[in-house]
Amino acid sequence: DSGVTQTPKHLITATGQRVTLRCSPRSGDLSVYWYQQSLDQGLQFLIQYYNGEERAKGNILERFSAQQFPDLHSELNLSSLELGDSALYFCASTSGPGNTIYFGEGSWLTVV
Amino acid sequence: EDQVTQSPEALRLQEGESSSLNCSYTVSGLRGLFWYRQDPGKGPEFLFTLYSAGEEKEKERLKATLTKKESFLHITAPKPEDSATYLCAAANFGNEKLTFGTGTRLTIIP
Repeated sequence: DSGVTQTPKHLITATGQRVTLRCSPRSGDLSVYWYQQSLDQGLQFLIQYYNGEERAKGNILERFSAQQFPDLHSELNLSSLELGDSALYFCASTSGPGNTIYFGEGSWLTVV
Repeated sequence: EDQVTQSPEALRLQEGESSSLNCSYTVSGLRGLFWYRQDPGKGPEFLFTLYSAGEEKEKERLKATLTKKESFLHITAPKPEDSATYLCAAANFGNEKLTFGTGTRLTIIP
């Protein structure tokens, strides 16, 4: 158990809908990352937050947004969903730069 | 732009047959080189972090090494439970994100 908690574990939704994925980082970790992993694709960095502030942005679509709340949990919002958005979405956290980044078990999103 | 390339894409070994996985990286100022293990449908599980060329770390049947251009994950006398995808990732000093390779899918045949 990495200590990073993600909900929901599985989600099936229709095209055009909006979903929210939630992440609780490890206790004491201020930095949260979101990654996307599609079938046969590597882990693609989406976005990073540090103590509530956006720190880095990767290949995140405009239809996607994220935030980190004062209690340090984070949410990834995916809207106007398309079939191609079906993937595993991982949250990860770390206590600081260069330290180990620990991953949650992921949220399986299937868009039908 | 940071790049991480892993080879081979897939590797099948007999139980007990040792081998090595390769990770080559192009990073402007390496902060750390990370190895993870990922089982199907699960999150990546941390294995090792290497920070400087010449560094080595071991855990059970796994040993990770680092040079200025690549890292190796050596697997000695593997068992079927070592079957997984092994991911390599690099972080640079300019930012804190990990750039991942596409992984090596390792299968150990009993």
